[in-house]
Amino acid sequence: GAVVSQHPSRVICKSGTSVKIECRSLDFQATTMFWYRQFPKKSLMLMATSNEGSKATYEQGVEKDKFLINHASLTLSTLTVTSAHPEDSSFYICSAPGMTGAANYGYTFGSGTRLTVV
Amino acid sequence: AQKITQTQPGMFVQEKEAVTLDCTYDTSDPSYGLFWYKQPSSGEMIFLIYQGSYDQQNATEGRYSLNFQKARKSANLVISASQLGDSAMYFCAMREDTGRRALTFGSGTRLQVQP
Repeated sequence: GAVVSQHPSRVICKSGTSVKIECRSLDFQATTMFWYRQFPKKSLMLMATSNEGSKATYEQGVEKDKFLINHASLTLSTLTVTSAHPEDSSFYICSAPGMTGAANYGYTFGSGTRLTVV
Repeated sequence: AQKITQTQPGMFVQEKEAVTLDCTYDTSDPSYGLFWYKQPSSGEMIFLIYQGSYDQQNATEGRYSLNFQKARKSANLVISASQLGDSAMYFCAMREDTGRRALTFGSGTRLQVQP
């Protein structure tokens, strides 16, 4: 079935540095990738939608300059948290609309990245 | 306005018993899809069950069934014969078939299965 590989699964970085999270579709082409953020014991909140070949669409309240999203190819979307601060610590997870008719009805999730900024 | 509402922050159930997790939704789109996901402590999102807005019958997937009441805009998940491994967070989500088609998630219900 459709697989989205997300890396890293866990990262600890120093305040002020940047962190890049990759989501790669392994056996299908993902022209769209949804990026979610999840605080501990909270729901998944949509941050932005990346589209191959065009600019990402950000949700209201999400800082475009802090959360840089790039969809470089049909199989790779990246989220870069720039100048990270402790309040950026969170669980980030990507999701790609997969194949119509797939058993999961079209949404394939990465395994998530737990970011801790110290 | 909140589109997906899960009113049960936490639920307990005895092993082998059935449990219902509530979900109500709000949309003006006539075409939409409703999903339930399980999220264990590892964080991965595990797809459980799907119900399309035009589906006449309630969806079932093994021990999972979805009690879809369209007029009430509810899509409750029923887990039968609970197992210890069912302990996790459960999220209800909706896809509206206009616009970007991203999933909107409810706040989740933490289910704990007791032996």
